[in-house]
Amino acid sequence: KNEVEQSPQNLTAQEGEFITINCSYSVGISALHWLQQHPGGGIVSLFMLSSGKKKHGRLIATINIQEKHSSLHITASHPRDSAVYICAVTNGNQFYFGTGTSLTVIP
Amino acid sequence: DAGVIQSPRHEVTEMGQEVTLRCKPISGHDYLFWYRQTMMRGLELLIYFNNNVPIDDSGMPEDRFSAKMPNASFSTLKIQPSEPRDSAVYFCASSQPPGQAFFGQGTRLTVV
Repeated sequence: KNEVEQSPQNLTAQEGEFITINCSYSVGISALHWLQQHPGGGIVSLFMLSSGKKKHGRLIATINIQEKHSSLHITASHPRDSAVYICAVTNGNQFYFGTGTSLTVIP
Repeated sequence: DAGVIQSPRHEVTEMGQEVTLRCKPISGHDYLFWYRQTMMRGLELLIYFNNNVPIDDSGMPEDRFSAKMPNASFSTLKIQPSEPRDSAVYFCASSQPPGQAFFGQGTRLTVV
């Protein structure tokens, strides 16, 4: 069993739709990261959070420590949001990665 | 700052050869991470350093892999001898505690 589970694995949306990607984890953590990997391969760190909610532009990340769950929301999705989104958690010593959610936003 | 710089961007080598991947972290970042990404296993953390000291190398697959950080501005990941199953994209990232990590563009390694 993976320590980090993401859903869905694949997601196709129409431009403008509100998108939610979920991440559940089974280990105690000190922080959770959301990463974005573009089709060209580059990786960008979107958020690091340990509680509550963070917002950056059209992206919102939330975490519920008690439920061991995090969500990444994209409002007013755009084709340039098409990428793989990876959830990663750390307990300070070890890192665990989800397998990623592949998002395709169609114009 | 130019961000995390990795070299080379692409490397093709024959099985058995030594391969050295290089990384220059963002100035002032205390943490440096080496990751490997494959289709089969996804993104894996190999090793990370704090203030040039290796903290957790439990992700290093075997003794053929070694990583060093001789100073705050440079790290290497070496594979000796290389094998075809080492073919992957290797990413380096750096961060300030407890901030977000910034990734390099990666090195695509192909071992034939």
